[in-house]
Amino acid sequence: NAGVMQNPRHLVRRRGQEARLRCSPMKGHSHVYWYRQLPEEGLKFMVYLQKENIIDESGMPKERFSAEFPKEGPSILRIQQVVRGDSAAYFCASSPVDDSGNTIYFGEGSWLTVV
Amino acid sequence: QRVTQPEKLLSVFKGAPVELKCNYSYSGSPELFWYVQYSRQRLQLLLRHISRESIKGFTADLNKGETSFHLKKPFAQEEDSAMYYCALINAGNNRKLIWGLGTSLAVNP
Repeated sequence: NAGVMQNPRHLVRRRGQEARLRCSPMKGHSHVYWYRQLPEEGLKFMVYLQKENIIDESGMPKERFSAEFPKEGPSILRIQQVVRGDSAAYFCASSPVDDSGNTIYFGEGSWLTVV
Repeated sequence: QRVTQPEKLLSVFKGAPVELKCNYSYSGSPELFWYVQYSRQRLQLLLRHISRESIKGFTADLNKGETSFHLKKPFAQEEDSAMYYCALINAGNNRKLIWGLGTSLAVNP
């Protein structure tokens, strides 16, 4: 099992460009979570998805941010018109459908730098 | 629901005991976890209270009276230096984790 795979690991974007971060959950996992870690701050929940369904997006900024988890392919976190304040580490996590042990597994993160 | 880690940074010497504090507020029966993040690596599950196990010499006991889940190790090692996050599962219909802000542990030689 390859674990939760995120790409790219590092992404540099100019202000106003779009950033797309991808997350492939562990095999057999149908729940995906996105978290953001700002410099010098802790993890903040952004969104929780199941395939083709957003369960909880209470942590997503109201504008410019969107997430999807299609029936086929990875989950994508999309940030439009990036600003310097979007520079952060974005972590994806997944958990199995049976929620055994309530454990979630994290990817290695994607570091976004906006210049 | 909230998880509080009062110490942003904790610095100890090698061989000294270490305790990373975690307090929570939750209306139901919580499930609590400790995650560790070594420098620029992925978050890894360290402990969960339901398993009552010791990992890398760390233990944590859920104290419902004090609403705490402190992480302890009797003799710190330099390789323990990392960021430690306490988290609580929201066992409602969305099951998201609620995180503390983390404590950075520095173990000095």
